[in-house]
Amino acid sequence: NAGVTQTPKFRILKIGQSMTLQCAQDMNHNYMYWYRQDPGMGLKLIYYSVGAGITDKGEVPNGYNVSRSTTEDFPLRLELAAPSQTSVYFCASTYPGDGYTFGSGTRLTVV
Amino acid sequence: RKEVEQDPGPFNVPEGATVAFNCTYSNSASQSFFWYRQDCRKEPKLLMSVYSSGNEDGRFTAQLNRASQYISLLIRDSKLSDSATYLCGESGNTGKLIFGQGTTLQVKP
Repeated sequence: NAGVTQTPKFRILKIGQSMTLQCAQDMNHNYMYWYRQDPGMGLKLIYYSVGAGITDKGEVPNGYNVSRSTTEDFPLRLELAAPSQTSVYFCASTYPGDGYTFGSGTRLTVV
Repeated sequence: RKEVEQDPGPFNVPEGATVAFNCTYSNSASQSFFWYRQDCRKEPKLLMSVYSSGNEDGRFTAQLNRASQYISLLIRDSKLSDSATYLCGESGNTGKLIFGQGTTLQVKP
């Protein structure tokens, strides 16, 4: 049981490049989330999903897209990377009302 | 007003001290509340869920005050290893989990 797995762990992007951050969970959780955390700050919700085929915006969705074609996977897409998207990205999953399990994060730098 | 607010601190306390953090929330429909611990450059890990009746786990006690819309975390007999950032989170019936900024605790020898 791996929990929540995020790949890659680190990435450097050039301005204007695109990439997909991968997130997979093996706990059969319906709910999945993407957060970003800037230095010294809390977690900001980007997008979340309450089940396959259903996604919704969080607090800071601009510049990102998501899809949820399976229960297990919830990839986050950056289409035109900007320096403001330099951050640590965390994926999480849960059953409603339970505590949330986080992945170990992806550290992204846009230069 | 932010949905979830915490005093970022830092709280600097000596070993053995008792320290308390509060976290206020604005969504009166919030249903679930949590305290998470985050160590530097690591992912948050669940410390405690917060129930209406309160919740105690060893040296840690969490309480919910729905009338005043805040949750609290009390740490007794602080240890050096308690040094971390403590994040509070709330979720309602939409499934969103929103976090506060986090409170930094430094326990000194």
